[in-house]
Amino acid sequence: AAGVIQSPRHLIKEKRETATLKCYPIPRHDTVYWYQQGPGQDPQFLISFYEKMQSDKGSIPDRFSAQQFSDYHSELNMSSLELGDSALYFCASSRRGLDTGELFFGEGSRLTVL
Amino acid sequence: GNSVTQMEGPVTLSEEAFLTINCTYTATGYPSLFWYVQYPGEGLQLLLKATKADDKGSNKGFEATYRKETTSFHLEKGSVQVSDSAVYFCAPPNQAGTALIFGKGTTLSVSS
Repeated sequence: AAGVIQSPRHLIKEKRETATLKCYPIPRHDTVYWYQQGPGQDPQFLISFYEKMQSDKGSIPDRFSAQQFSDYHSELNMSSLELGDSALYFCASSRRGLDTGELFFGEGSRLTVL
Repeated sequence: GNSVTQMEGPVTLSEEAFLTINCTYTATGYPSLFWYVQYPGEGLQLLLKATKADDKGSNKGFEATYRKETTSFHLEKGSVQVSDSAVYFCAPPNQAGTALIFGKGTTLSVSS
Protein backbone atom coordinates (compact mmCIF):
# COMPACT_ATOMS: atom_id res chain seq x y z
CA ALA A 1 0.00 0.00 0.00
CA ALA A 2 1.17 3.51 -0.76
CA GLY A 3 2.54 5.42 2.20
CA VAL A 4 3.45 9.02 2.90
CA ILE A 5 6.56 9.93 0.96
CA GLN A 6 8.97 12.56 2.22
CA SER A 7 11.95 13.99 0.42
CA PRO A 8 14.76 14.44 0.85
CA ARG A 9 15.40 11.94 3.62
CA HIS A 10 18.55 13.71 4.70
CA LEU A 11 19.63 17.29 4.18
CA ILE A 12 22.67 19.20 5.35
CA LYS A 13 22.69 23.00 5.24
CA GLU A 14 24.77 25.85 6.55
CA LYS A 15 23.44 28.54 8.90
CA ARG A 16 21.42 31.23 7.16
CA GLU A 17 20.74 29.00 4.15
CA THR A 18 17.27 27.91 3.03
CA ALA A 19 15.79 24.44 2.77
CA THR A 20 12.66 22.94 1.28
CA LEU A 21 11.09 19.68 2.40
CA LYS A 22 8.45 17.89 0.37
CA CYS A 23 5.64 15.61 1.42
CA TYR A 24 3.44 13.43 -0.77
CA PRO A 25 0.39 12.19 1.14
CA ILE A 26 -1.36 8.90 0.71
CA PRO A 27 -3.69 9.02 -2.32
CA ARG A 28 -7.13 10.46 -1.48
CA HIS A 29 -5.89 11.94 1.78
CA ASP A 30 -6.86 15.59 1.96
CA THR A 31 -5.10 16.69 5.15
CA VAL A 32 -1.38 17.14 5.69
CA TYR A 33 0.45 17.83 8.96
CA TRP A 34 4.03 18.87 9.63
CA TYR A 35 5.84 18.00 12.87
CA GLN A 36 9.34 18.84 14.09
CA GLN A 37 11.19 16.45 16.41
CA GLY A 38 14.42 17.75 17.89
CA PRO A 39 17.00 15.36 19.40
CA GLY A 40 15.43 13.61 22.38
CA GLN A 41 12.30 15.74 22.07
CA ASP A 42 8.66 14.99 21.43
CA PRO A 43 7.27 15.75 17.98
CA GLN A 44 6.02 19.34 17.93
CA PHE A 45 3.14 20.29 15.67
CA LEU A 46 4.08 22.98 13.17
CA ILE A 47 1.22 23.43 10.74
CA SER A 48 -1.55 21.59 8.92
CA PHE A 49 -3.53 21.91 5.72
CA TYR A 50 -6.96 20.66 4.76
CA GLU A 51 -8.07 20.76 1.16
CA LYS A 52 -5.15 23.07 0.27
CA MET A 53 -6.02 25.63 2.94
CA GLN A 54 -4.13 26.12 6.19
CA SER A 55 -6.25 24.54 8.89
CA ASP A 56 -4.14 25.08 11.99
CA LYS A 57 -0.85 26.53 13.05
CA GLY A 58 1.32 25.36 15.90
CA SER A 59 4.82 26.34 16.91
CA ILE A 60 6.05 27.14 13.42
CA PRO A 61 8.70 29.90 13.37
CA ASP A 62 8.06 32.96 11.21
CA ARG A 63 11.10 31.94 9.14
CA PHE A 64 9.20 28.87 8.00
CA SER A 65 6.32 28.71 5.56
CA ALA A 66 4.36 25.90 4.03
CA GLN A 67 1.67 25.24 1.50
CA GLN A 68 -0.39 22.45 0.05
CA PHE A 69 -0.65 22.24 -3.72
CA SER A 70 -3.48 21.22 -6.05
CA ASP A 71 -2.21 17.62 -6.12
CA TYR A 72 -2.30 17.66 -2.28
CA HIS A 73 1.45 17.41 -1.85
CA SER A 74 2.92 19.88 0.60
CA GLU A 75 6.19 21.73 0.94
CA LEU A 76 7.80 23.20 4.04
CA ASN A 77 10.13 26.09 3.28
CA MET A 78 12.68 27.08 5.89
CA SER A 79 14.79 30.21 5.57
CA SER A 80 17.61 31.80 7.58
CA LEU A 81 18.36 28.40 9.04
CA GLU A 82 19.67 28.25 12.60
CA LEU A 83 21.53 25.50 14.40
CA GLY A 84 18.40 24.85 16.47
CA ASP A 85 16.47 23.94 13.34
CA SER A 86 18.41 20.67 13.18
CA ALA A 87 15.71 18.07 13.66
CA LEU A 88 13.68 15.30 12.14
CA TYR A 89 10.72 16.73 10.24
CA PHE A 90 7.73 14.47 9.91
CA CYS A 91 4.87 14.82 7.53
CA ALA A 92 1.61 13.00 8.14
CA SER A 93 -1.61 12.73 6.18
CA SER A 94 -5.20 11.77 6.90
CA ARG A 95 -8.65 11.83 5.40
CA ARG A 96 -11.05 14.50 6.65
CA GLY A 97 -8.71 15.86 9.28
CA LEU A 98 -8.84 14.04 12.60
CA ASP A 99 -12.29 12.55 12.00
CA THR A 100 -10.88 9.04 11.73
CA GLY A 101 -8.27 9.84 14.35
CA GLU A 102 -5.44 8.19 12.50
CA LEU A 103 -2.49 10.04 11.07
CA PHE A 104 -0.21 8.23 8.64
CA PHE A 105 3.37 9.36 9.00
CA GLY A 106 6.24 9.43 6.58
CA GLU A 107 9.69 8.29 7.64
CA GLY A 108 10.82 11.85 8.14
CA SER A 109 13.39 14.22 6.69
CA ARG A 110 16.46 14.76 8.82
CA LEU A 111 17.80 18.29 8.58
CA THR A 112 21.25 19.07 9.90
CA VAL A 113 22.30 22.71 10.10
CA LEU A 114 26.04 23.30 10.44
CA GLY B 1 -5.11 23.87 26.01
CA ASN B 2 -4.85 20.09 26.01
CA SER B 3 -1.63 18.51 27.19
CA VAL B 4 -0.08 15.13 27.88
CA THR B 5 2.43 13.80 30.40
CA GLN B 6 4.11 10.53 29.69
CA MET B 7 6.34 8.30 31.76
CA GLU B 8 9.98 8.88 30.98
CA GLY B 9 12.17 6.08 29.79
CA PRO B 10 14.07 4.21 28.89
CA VAL B 11 12.25 1.11 29.99
CA THR B 12 14.33 -2.04 29.83
CA LEU B 13 12.60 -5.40 30.15
CA SER B 14 13.27 -9.05 29.56
CA GLU B 15 11.18 -10.95 27.07
CA GLU B 16 7.77 -12.02 28.44
CA ALA B 17 7.81 -9.36 31.16
CA PHE B 18 4.77 -7.17 31.87
CA LEU B 19 4.82 -3.66 30.49
CA THR B 20 3.14 -0.50 31.73
CA ILE B 21 3.80 2.94 30.28
CA ASN B 22 1.94 5.68 32.11
CA CYS B 23 0.17 8.52 30.33
CA THR B 24 -1.98 11.25 31.84
CA TYR B 25 -3.63 14.06 29.95
CA THR B 26 -5.55 17.28 30.41
CA ALA B 27 -8.26 17.97 27.90
CA THR B 28 -11.46 19.84 27.31
CA GLY B 29 -14.25 17.31 27.17
CA TYR B 30 -13.55 13.68 26.34
CA PRO B 31 -11.64 13.52 23.09
CA SER B 32 -10.39 10.32 21.48
CA LEU B 33 -6.98 9.22 22.77
CA PHE B 34 -4.19 7.49 20.87
CA TRP B 35 -0.96 5.58 21.31
CA TYR B 36 1.57 5.75 18.49
CA VAL B 37 4.71 3.65 18.11
CA GLN B 38 7.95 4.43 16.31
CA TYR B 39 10.10 1.45 15.38
CA PRO B 40 13.79 2.08 14.66
CA GLY B 41 14.28 3.89 11.37
CA GLU B 42 10.55 4.24 10.70
CA GLY B 43 7.86 6.90 11.01
CA LEU B 44 5.24 6.93 13.73
CA GLN B 45 2.31 4.59 13.32
CA LEU B 46 -0.95 4.20 15.18
CA LEU B 47 -0.84 1.42 17.77
CA LEU B 48 -4.29 1.76 19.30
CA LYS B 49 -7.01 4.24 20.13
CA ALA B 50 -10.02 4.75 22.39
CA THR B 51 -12.80 7.00 21.19
CA LYS B 52 -14.70 7.60 24.42
CA ALA B 53 -14.38 7.38 28.17
CA ASP B 54 -14.12 3.84 29.59
CA ASP B 55 -13.29 2.46 26.17
CA LYS B 56 -10.42 0.02 25.88
CA GLY B 57 -8.22 0.17 22.82
CA SER B 58 -6.21 -2.91 21.89
CA ASN B 59 -3.84 -4.08 19.20
CA LYS B 60 -0.95 -6.55 18.92
CA GLY B 61 -1.41 -7.57 22.56
CA PHE B 62 -1.24 -3.97 23.80
CA GLU B 63 -4.16 -2.45 25.68
CA ALA B 64 -5.04 0.97 27.06
CA THR B 65 -8.19 2.00 28.93
CA TYR B 66 -9.52 5.54 28.72
CA ARG B 67 -10.13 6.48 32.38
CA LYS B 68 -11.80 9.85 32.75
CA GLU B 69 -11.72 9.76 36.55
CA THR B 70 -7.94 9.69 36.63
CA THR B 71 -7.47 11.32 33.18
CA SER B 72 -5.17 8.46 32.28
CA PHE B 73 -4.57 6.25 29.27
CA HIS B 74 -1.84 3.86 30.41
CA LEU B 75 -0.41 1.40 27.89
CA GLU B 76 -0.04 -2.23 28.99
CA LYS B 77 1.11 -5.52 27.56
CA GLY B 78 1.14 -8.77 29.43
CA SER B 79 4.18 -10.32 27.75
CA VAL B 80 6.57 -8.21 25.72
CA GLN B 81 8.68 -9.47 22.86
CA VAL B 82 12.02 -8.32 21.50
CA SER B 83 10.16 -7.01 18.45
CA ASP B 84 8.26 -4.58 20.70
CA SER B 85 11.43 -2.56 21.19
CA ALA B 86 10.47 0.91 19.99
CA VAL B 87 9.50 4.39 21.16
CA TYR B 88 5.90 4.77 22.33
CA PHE B 89 3.99 8.06 22.26
CA CYS B 90 0.74 8.94 23.99
CA ALA B 91 -1.20 11.42 21.84
CA PRO B 92 -4.41 13.27 22.60
CA PRO B 93 -5.71 15.85 20.11
CA ASN B 94 -5.13 19.54 20.64
CA GLN B 95 -8.00 21.61 22.00
CA ALA B 96 -9.22 22.53 18.53
CA GLY B 97 -9.21 18.88 17.50
CA THR B 98 -7.11 19.70 14.45
CA ALA B 99 -3.84 17.95 15.28
CA LEU B 100 -2.33 15.49 17.74
CA ILE B 101 -0.15 16.46 20.69
CA PHE B 102 2.65 14.01 21.40
CA GLY B 103 4.20 13.21 24.73
CA LYS B 104 7.96 12.96 25.07
CA GLY B 105 7.95 9.32 24.08
CA THR B 106 9.03 6.30 26.11
CA THR B 107 11.79 4.13 24.75
CA LEU B 108 11.22 0.43 25.37
CA SER B 109 14.09 -2.00 25.03
CA VAL B 110 13.31 -5.72 25.33
CA SER B 111 16.09 -8.27 25.58
CA SER B 112 15.87 -12.02 25.08
